[in-house]
Amino acid sequence: DTGVSQDPRHKITKRGQNVTFRCDPISEHNRLYWYRQTLGQGPEFLTYFQNEAQLEKSRLLSDRFSAERPKGSFSTLEIQRTEQGDSAMYLCASSPDTGKEHFGPGTRLTVT
Amino acid sequence: KQEVTQIPAALSVPEGENLVLNCSFTDSAIYNLQWFRQDPGKGLTSLLLIQSSQREQTSGRLNASLDKSSGRSTLYIAASQPGDSATYLCAAVHQTGANNLFFGTGTRLTVIP
Repeated sequence: DTGVSQDPRHKITKRGQNVTFRCDPISEHNRLYWYRQTLGQGPEFLTYFQNEAQLEKSRLLSDRFSAERPKGSFSTLEIQRTEQGDSAMYLCASSPDTGKEHFGPGTRLTVT
Repeated sequence: KQEVTQIPAALSVPEGENLVLNCSFTDSAIYNLQWFRQDPGKGLTSLLLIQSSQREQTSGRLNASLDKSSGRSTLYIAASQPGDSATYLCAAVHQTGANNLFFGTGTRLTVIP
């Protein structure tokens, strides 16, 4: 069990640019979640995958956001035309069908 | 929509004190409730998970309780240490849906040596 990994750990981008983050879950975990956390707040749910199927998306996930999990293993989260309000920590978590979620270290995005 | 509230937002205690962190949730139809620890700029570490059918869970100096009927959970930390300084988050999982976590805003704990 190597844990959940995320890449990159930090990303600084200019407003209007596109960014993509990657999450590698624990290998035997079917479920994968993306959360966003802004300063001083708890994480907020963005989206959820069961294997390769994206089963639920939060209203926070605007049209500029897209997430994929093409083979039911790693996942990517892309933000198009970034805005300053997108600056946050993006957290990925995975879990088995029944069991608690294991979180990665997060990707901190700063939009200048 | 489930709303989770944590009080206090920040807490400072001298080393060695016992302390209680509070969490309340609006919808009692939860599947489980978890307590997490988050160090500055880092991800979350799960501390304790209480299933909806359970009343409490213990791990070392930590004890978490759950009262679904009143919509409350508490995290008790015994004999606090400076290394316990972190933000503590509680999160509830709904009985239906994606099983995603609904988080509170956290309590920032500082244990003073």
